Amino acid sequence: SSEMTQDPAVSVALGQTVRITCQGDSLRTYYTCWYQQKPGQAPILVIYGKNNRPSGIPDRFSGSYSGNTASLTITGAQAEDEADYYCNSRDSSGNHVVFGGGTKLTVL
Amino acid sequence: QVQLQQWGAGLLKPSETLSLTCAVYGESFNTYYWNWIRQPPGKGLEWLGEINHSGSTNYNPSLKSRVTISVDTSKKQFSLKMSSVTAADTAMYYCARGTLVATIVYYYYMDVWGKGTLVTVS
Repeated sequence: SSEMTQDPAVSVALGQTVRITCQGDSLRTYYTCWYQQKPGQAPILVIYGKNNRPSGIPDRFSGSYSGNTASLTITGAQAEDEADYYCNSRDSSGNHVVFGGGTKLTVL
Repeated sequence: QVQLQQWGAGLLKPSETLSLTCAVYGESFNTYYWNWIRQPPGKGLEWLGEINHSGSTNYNPSLKSRVTISVDTSKKQFSLKMSSVTAADTAMYYCARGTLVATIVYYYYMDVWGKGTLVTVS
């Protein structure tokens, strides 16, 4: 299967911990990566590989895996973390790139 | 630091061909995949296709018949053409650099993105 499934929306209280999940058969072969996208901006990479953060990404962002599910965890969510988050990987064939449908994170 | 600068026509009529180009500044062109992604207004990201420096391509199966991606390594540029556009192709189009890791573990990520080009079909 080439599909990657995300919950459409998640909310978190300021300073609390939130987990955003992504399910897909390809995640049994490929680690996913995660992008953050704010309105009017291009996506930015926040997690890649097993649990790697690009330079400049706060350490409150982390990634984990269980079976065919990948999770992005934000520990101590900040107001500036309110954004859309997308998971992304290659499909099981390795020949195509797939995105999850995106999760809108609201920080209350 | 690598930067991607993209350009192309922003307003098309139905049945015309969309044409966008992305230039790579400040980094090696080889060893990466060069991608096109789009995002309709208010919707999610959709991968269109990729090309590497040797010209090998992969396309989204749902758009393969209309999409062509090409590369000019001498200019460090890659381009997207999409034929027979309709209003459904109205979207922000992004170019992005992709890295594939396929050793003991496998993963793929796009760490550098262009600013996007809004293409409207009307």
